[in-house]
Amino acid sequence: GAVVSQHPSRVICKSGTSVKIECRSLDFQATTMFWYRQFPKQSLMLMATSNEGSKATYEQGVEKDKFLINHASLTLSTLTVTSAHPEDSSFYICSAPQYTQPSYGYTFGSGTRLTVV
Amino acid sequence: QKEVEQNSGPLSVPEGAIASLNCTYSDRGSQSFFWYRQYSGKSPELIMFIYSNGDKEDGRFTAQLNKASQYVSLLIRDSQPSDSATYLCAVFMDYGGSQGNLIFGKGTKLSVKP
Repeated sequence: GAVVSQHPSRVICKSGTSVKIECRSLDFQATTMFWYRQFPKQSLMLMATSNEGSKATYEQGVEKDKFLINHASLTLSTLTVTSAHPEDSSFYICSAPQYTQPSYGYTFGSGTRLTVV
Repeated sequence: QKEVEQNSGPLSVPEGAIASLNCTYSDRGSQSFFWYRQYSGKSPELIMFIYSNGDKEDGRFTAQLNKASQYVSLLIRDSQPSDSATYLCAVFMDYGGSQGNLIFGKGTKLSVKP
């Protein structure tokens, strides 16, 4: 089946630094990539939607200048957390539509556990 | 606002019993419904999807959909301790054309006791 490769799986960074998270679709083209954030014991929250070749769409309350999304190709989308702070510590997960029809559901990356110290 | 509601649990069942997980959704026009399983510290994995009213069975799992009641459920037969996880209900909201979004419930935590 379709696979989305996400890395790093874990990262610890100092406050004020930037962290880049990559998601690659393997053996399929992901024209769209969704980025979620999940705090402990809470549900997935959609942060933004990236589309290859165009600007990302951010959900209300998500700072686009802080969470930079780039969808450079049909197989790669990146999320950069800039000037990270401890409150940005969370589990970040990407996902892409599994088939050409989006209603077939999404394939998730394995997630990135970000800890900002 | 389009919503997907689940009982957060925890739902505790003994090993071998049937676990019943429920979900309601607000958008009557929704067409696609999914159940994901998420182990602690891991990303969600798709268990089942269902589009039509009625039951859909896959091994020990049965998804049930009632569009009139805007209700979807997941039954797990012969529950095993390895089924202990959070189960996320997701509903695809179609915005038209090729646009849409998968809306997740907050998940129900299932605990299967040996």
